[in-house]
Amino acid sequence: ETGVTQTPRHLVMGMTNKKSLKCEQHLGHNAMYWYKQSAKKPLELMFVYNFKEQTENNSVPSRFSPECPNSSHLFLHLHTLQPEDSALYLCASSQEVAGDYEQYFGPGTRLTVT
Amino acid sequence: AQSVTQPDIHITVSEGASLELRCNYSYGATPYLFWYVQSPGQGLQLLLKYFSGDTLVQGIKGFEAEFKRSQSSFNLRKPSVHWSDAAEYFCAVSAGKSTFGDGTTLTVKP
Repeated sequence: ETGVTQTPRHLVMGMTNKKSLKCEQHLGHNAMYWYKQSAKKPLELMFVYNFKEQTENNSVPSRFSPECPNSSHLFLHLHTLQPEDSALYLCASSQEVAGDYEQYFGPGTRLTVT
Repeated sequence: AQSVTQPDIHITVSEGASLELRCNYSYGATPYLFWYVQSPGQGLQLLLKYFSGDTLVQGIKGFEAEFKRSQSSFNLRKPSVHWSDAAEYFCAVSAGKSTFGDGTTLTVKP
């Protein structure tokens, strides 16, 4: 595997379910990100991890719980979601958080909450 | 605080025609600037980036962008658009953290 991978690619869950999204990067990067991309809305940065430590949480509801066990893996645990949480969830990584490092994105997980 | 504006939400061009997508940024110094492309159902892919030096930067897929400090702009151009260029394009600025524009959707007419 190369680049940034995300599983599953598609997920349908009920509002009472608990599920997790997984992201893995094979680039040796130190920073990882979760973004939410909804239809007709701009890209929303949710969480940032740098060297496994969370450095940014952009007022994300507690029903989204990130986990970064090491620099290569990032999870997003989901529970009691709402229909408005349906979106494409993108994971990205970069060499470091600051400055001139571009981000490498995974293909995303298309989440539908019913 | 830094910000990015992409004034055009949607642009339609004919195949073979030239393309320019606009991006304006707000930041006190010269930031790091990026253009990304997103095909339907996919993640974002880097097209090109500007850090310093030559203000005209070349990217992948025949794209180029020009940094104009006086106008706080970093517009993306392509001389001849192909149908496969239909996608959403994001401009981003990075100065400690990355900020993305709202995106421009490109439609290519045959």
